[in-house]
Amino acid sequence: DSGVTQTPKHLITATGQRVTLRCSPRSGDLSVYWYQQSLDQGLQFLIQYYNGEERAKGNILERFSAQQFPDLHSELNLSSLELGDSALYFCASSDGETQYFGPGTRLLVL
Amino acid sequence: SQQGEEDPQALSIQEGENATMNCSYKTSINNLQWYRQNSGRGLVHLILIRSNEREKHSGRLRVTLDTSKKSSSLLITASRAADTASYFCATDFDYKLSFGAGTTVTVRA
Repeated sequence: DSGVTQTPKHLITATGQRVTLRCSPRSGDLSVYWYQQSLDQGLQFLIQYYNGEERAKGNILERFSAQQFPDLHSELNLSSLELGDSALYFCASSDGETQYFGPGTRLLVL
Repeated sequence: SQQGEEDPQALSIQEGENATMNCSYKTSINNLQWYRQNSGRGLVHLILIRSNEREKHSGRLRVTLDTSKKSSSLLITASRAADTASYFCATDFDYKLSFGAGTTVTVRA
């Protein structure tokens, strides 16, 4: 158990819909990262927050957004969902160098 | 895009044998990390090697890093059935981790 929690574990929704994924980092970690894992793209870095501020951006679509709240939990919002957004979404938190991954949210867009 | 590329893509070995996988990358790094993933579950951090280090050990794991060749290797000694998983290298630069496609290791009893 990494200490990073993600909810929900599974999510099934329809194209065009909007969903919110939630992540709680390990106690004391200020950084939160979001990743997408799909069969065709592999593991892709989406975005990083540090103590509430966006620090780095990767291959995140404009339809996706994230934020980190004062209690350090983070949410990833996915809107106007497409079939290709079906993937595993991971959150990770960091103590500086090492990233600790949550169990992921499996999103299926039908 | 993925910076790291693991080789081989898949590896099948007998329990007790050693497993070696390689990772090549393209740009400068702060450190390189290896992770394990069991069938679609979360990634587990195995080991981190900094750019100024050449070799690191952790239990049955040995990692090497050659920054001149932009490559790293992960050796798992005396493999066990529980080592069956996908292994990913990830390069760390500018607050971003870039993962390779992974090596799938199957350890046969």
